[in-house]
Amino acid sequence: LAKTTQPISMDSYEGQEVNITCSHNNIATNDYITWYQQFPSQGPRFIIQGYKTKVTNEVASLFIPADRKSSTLSLPRVSLSDTAVYYCLVGDIWTSGSARQLTFGSGTQLTVLP
Amino acid sequence: DAGVIQSPRHEVTEMGQEVTLRCKPISGHDYLFWYRQTMMRGLELLIYFNNNVPIDDSGMPEDRFSAKMPNASFSTLKIQPSEPRDSAVYFCASSLRQGAGDTQYFGPGTRLTVL
Repeated sequence: LAKTTQPISMDSYEGQEVNITCSHNNIATNDYITWYQQFPSQGPRFIIQGYKTKVTNEVASLFIPADRKSSTLSLPRVSLSDTAVYYCLVGDIWTSGSARQLTFGSGTQLTVLP
Repeated sequence: DAGVIQSPRHEVTEMGQEVTLRCKPISGHDYLFWYRQTMMRGLELLIYFNNNVPIDDSGMPEDRFSAKMPNASFSTLKIQPSEPRDSAVYFCASSLRQGAGDTQYFGPGTRLTVL
């Protein structure tokens, strides 16, 4: 079971780039790395997903080193509305057949300051 | 698409009462997940279904909890009898396997308070 470790909290200022790192030393060969964002009183929302190297979409980038034991979510030029909890999720139920592989972890509270 | 729909959004009940939470997944999605979120334990996966069949219920805390998915567009999570420690936000999520990885779409949640 790929346990994830993230910083509990981070502060940033508007307009800065924010990098949140997640450690997952026991990641399995078939595991994907997925990041979710959660605002208060809402369900988590998918941000980005990757398997290796770098993935970029319209809201974020995901950097995954060759050993895949960690990953870094990069949010360019954050705004106040990016204040939320960010979860790193590692797993793949499609091949493992078990949702036990989906571990959300405790998440990182990002606070963007004006 | 309206996204994942959950009802009720808020539920307040007394200890010992039966509670039923409802979920309508996104049309066409073949996976459905039930989660529970508390401050102490974070986001916990309770059970998930594939094509209406329960696949893994090892996260269900005890026999007081049960979940059903009678068809592709409806699922229920029932707690009977409810206890104060069941107070939490319960999320339903759905997903469509598209070859690799996992992208779950979450509903807005049901905030359950058991007095």
